[in-house]
Amino acid sequence: KQEVTQIPAALSVPEGENLVLNCSFTDSAIYNLQWFRQDPGKGLTSLLLIQSSQREQTSGRLNASLDKSSGRSTLYIAASQPGDSATYLCAVRAQGGSEKLVFGKGTKLTVNP
Amino acid sequence: GAVVSQHPSWVICKSGTSVKIECRSLDFQATTMFWYRQFPKQSLMLMATSNEGSKATYEQGVEKDKFLINHASLTLSTLTVTSAHPEDSSFYICSATDLPPEQYFGPGTRLTVT
Repeated sequence: KQEVTQIPAALSVPEGENLVLNCSFTDSAIYNLQWFRQDPGKGLTSLLLIQSSQREQTSGRLNASLDKSSGRSTLYIAASQPGDSATYLCAVRAQGGSEKLVFGKGTKLTVNP
Repeated sequence: GAVVSQHPSWVICKSGTSVKIECRSLDFQATTMFWYRQFPKQSLMLMATSNEGSKATYEQGVEKDKFLINHASLTLSTLTVTSAHPEDSSFYICSATDLPPEQYFGPGTRLTVT
């Protein structure tokens, strides 16, 4: 059974700092991995999707890497801003064409002005 | 594009009553819709997968007679929580897809059972 773990559970940083969020998964047979952002009481916004054959994806100040063999992904946020404050969720999709996503518990990020 | 809406955004109901939550894909036809439940400080847990016109597939441990899912059209799926109890209080989120692998998530529905 696939399990996804995110460390740390919470992170508080001053504005402008670069930071890394970690995600690990137990079964390396994944189809892809996706990072989401969730604001309090809201739904999910997709940030980056990395296919299993890819090593990283970039969008603006965000960079996500994937090391499938070791079961790890990182989300790098450059020059953090207070508007980045949210919970960041990592989710993996298994190989075989299933659409099922397995989520981690998330990292709650607070960027202080 | 690719907007998914949910209604209502929050609902309070009394124990023993039933409540229906709607999930709509506004600008695309969703071949598959998913229902998730999220408890505070917990991850999203998939409850069931529904394909238009067929019965939903429930995850292990989810009572299909308690959580009724109907996917009657390519743009609408409903989740009915029957005989709700306080432990059913949670944040329910749906997602929809027309072209894998992307899933588009709704804004969620906060259910409180008193």
